[in-house]
Amino acid sequence: ETGVTQSPTHLIKTRGQQVTLRCSSQSGHNTVSWYQQALGQGPQFIFQYYREEENGRGNFPPRFSGLQFPNYSSELNVNALELDDSALYLCASFSSLRLSEQYFGPGTRLTVT
Amino acid sequence: QQPVQSPQAVILREGEDAVINCSSSKALYSVHWYRQKHGEAPVFLMILLKGGEQKGHEKISASFNEKKQQSSLYLTASQLSYSGTYFCGTEIMGGYQKVTFGTGTKLQVIP
Repeated sequence: ETGVTQSPTHLIKTRGQQVTLRCSSQSGHNTVSWYQQALGQGPQFIFQYYREEENGRGNFPPRFSGLQFPNYSSELNVNALELDDSALYLCASFSSLRLSEQYFGPGTRLTVT
Repeated sequence: QQPVQSPQAVILREGEDAVINCSSSKALYSVHWYRQKHGEAPVFLMILLKGGEQKGHEKISASFNEKKQQSSLYLTASQLSYSGTYFCGTEIMGGYQKVTFGTGTKLQVIP
C-alpha cells in the first residue's frame, strides 16, 4: 500500500473525446509526476507538478495538461483523444525533502475506441 | 534518449544471483530502480545519487558509476517474489526531476 490512489481504475472513451484522470497523493508529498505506459513498454514521463506549478514536461503534445491542488490531489486531462492514447496512466508522488521515496498509484487503464 | 538495460530477460532458479545493468548516454544526476509485476504499478526500490554510492534493500543492492553513466542492480539469493520486470529510471543533470525509464529487464525466478 503506497498511499497513492487513482481514479477511475478503468475507462473507455471514444476518439475525439476528452478525459480527466485523478490522483491523490500522500500528505506532505508536494511533487507529483504523471506517466503513460503502453502495453509492453516502460512508463513514459508526461509532466511533473511541484507546488501546483508544472515543473518539467516530456515529449507529449499540449492536449495533455494537468493540475495540482493544495490538498495533494492532481488531475491529468487529455483532449481530442486518439487511439494511441490507450495506455495505463500512472501518477507517482514523492516529497522533495526525501528523495529516496517515490510511490506510484495503481494506475488508470484508458482504452480509446 | 532512453537508457538501455541488459539483459532483456533472465530466468533464475531460487537462490541464484543476478545482475541487471543500465546504461545512459547522458550525464546523470540520479538513477532509480523499480520492479513491476504484471498488471500492477511499478514499485520503487531505491534511488542512487551521483557519487558512486551503493545502496541496499534487503538482498537487493545497486551501484552507480557516474563516470560511465552506468548503474547495476544486484539480486542475491533470489526468491520467487523477485519475479517481474525491472526498470531503471534516470534523471539527467538539469533534468528537473524528469525520470526517463529504461528498456526493462524481465526476470523470472523458478523453483
